[in-house]
Amino acid sequence: QQQVKQSPQSLIVQKGGISIINCAYENTAFDYFPWYQQFPGKGPALLIAIRPDVSEKKEGRFTISFNKSAKQFSLHIMDSQPGDSATYFCAAAFNFGNEKLTFGTGTRLTIIP
Amino acid sequence: EPEVTQTPSHQVTQMGQEVILRCVPISNHLYFYWYRQILGQKVEFLVSFYNNEISEKSEIFDDQFSVERPDGSNFTLKIRSTKLEDSAMYFCASRVRGNTEAFFGQGTRLTVV
Repeated sequence: QQQVKQSPQSLIVQKGGISIINCAYENTAFDYFPWYQQFPGKGPALLIAIRPDVSEKKEGRFTISFNKSAKQFSLHIMDSQPGDSATYFCAAAFNFGNEKLTFGTGTRLTIIP
Repeated sequence: EPEVTQTPSHQVTQMGQEVILRCVPISNHLYFYWYRQILGQKVEFLVSFYNNEISEKSEIFDDQFSVERPDGSNFTLKIRSTKLEDSAMYFCASRVRGNTEAFFGQGTRLTVV
């Protein structure tokens, strides 16, 4: 019940396109949903996060859309660039992020010219 | 910019040997975590540590694992008798009180042979 399911496993998008990664969770007690970006050889780094009291959060080219009733949230990367090529993990946590992160399985994103 | 640092970056050890993975969290952070990532799989929570004691641990964190903050700056993960299945990337993370963002180190790749 604490799983976070992520899709797709890998994604190839043309430069300038929109990258969309989806996640679904089961436990409605989760109340903090971050996205982490990981480059090869590096640790995950927080990209953007949302709480369930809002349906969308935008930071630059990155947007989280949140559907509380469907228990789903997604990351949209607008105007995708080669520098966005990385692995993206969605995650969920209790207590507004003050407890451990439960990660999704990751999406390897490749942006091609 | 402050960062979480981990040493060594790569450790190879024989099955049954003890290993200690070291982390230096960001100096004013109070919450510390260890996560691991088996190659190609999701990042999994191992243990959280606050106020010099374990606050939560996962099923993975059995009696072979221990954590310590020996000197107020380092945060270590010890595996007493390594198994082949302990081979993974181990990430240390830390965060400050009142902020949900967890900062991850670059990881230690542990290979058990």
